[in-house]
Amino acid sequence: NAGVTQTPKFQVLKTGQSMTLQCAQDMNHEYMSWYRQDPGMGLRLIHYSVGAGITDQGEVPNGYNVSRSTTEDFPLRLLSAAPSQTSVYFCATGLVSGGEETQYFGPGTRLLVL
Amino acid sequence: AQTVTQSQPEMSVQEAETVTLSCTYDTSESDYYLFWYKQPPSRQMILVIRQEAYKQQNATENRFSVNFQKAAKSFSLKISDSQLGDAAMYFCAYRSADVTLPLGWYALNFGKGTSLLVTP
Repeated sequence: NAGVTQTPKFQVLKTGQSMTLQCAQDMNHEYMSWYRQDPGMGLRLIHYSVGAGITDQGEVPNGYNVSRSTTEDFPLRLLSAAPSQTSVYFCATGLVSGGEETQYFGPGTRLLVL
Repeated sequence: AQTVTQSQPEMSVQEAETVTLSCTYDTSESDYYLFWYKQPPSRQMILVIRQEAYKQQNATENRFSVNFQKAAKSFSLKISDSQLGDAAMYFCAYRSADVTLPLGWYALNFGKGTSLLVTP
């Protein structure tokens, strides 16, 4: 049971490049989400999903796309990276049904856009 | 979205002493959950403690306890017998319990964090 995994751990991009941040979980959680963490800003929600095929925007969705084709995976796509997207990205998952209230976080992906 | 405020950007405590981190939140909901997460230098987000708003009893987890004041919308974290390993960033977070809301009800709203330094 690996919990929540994120790849890569660290990535450097040039402005305008695209990439996908991967998030996978093996806990059969319906809820998956992406946060970004910037100094002095706490964690801000980018996108989230409550099941395969169901996604919605969070507080800071611009510049990011998501899709949820399986329960296990929730990739975050940057179509054209910008320096403002330099941040640490966290994936979080949770079991919505059954009264489980805790959300579990992946180890994070540190992204640097030059 | 609900607002979570942590008014102490940095705190310092001596080993074995007690420290209290403050958190206030703004909501019109009556049922919700509150959490404290710890983020050490490894950046891993670790759940420290959680509180359900409809429970009047304050949550406790070993050396960690909360003072939940629902009317005042305050949720402070007390760390007793502080240890060097407690040094980290601490985040307070709010989550709705209203399942009738649009899909986003399950999202966590975070404060900006308090950096805790533990000195020998």
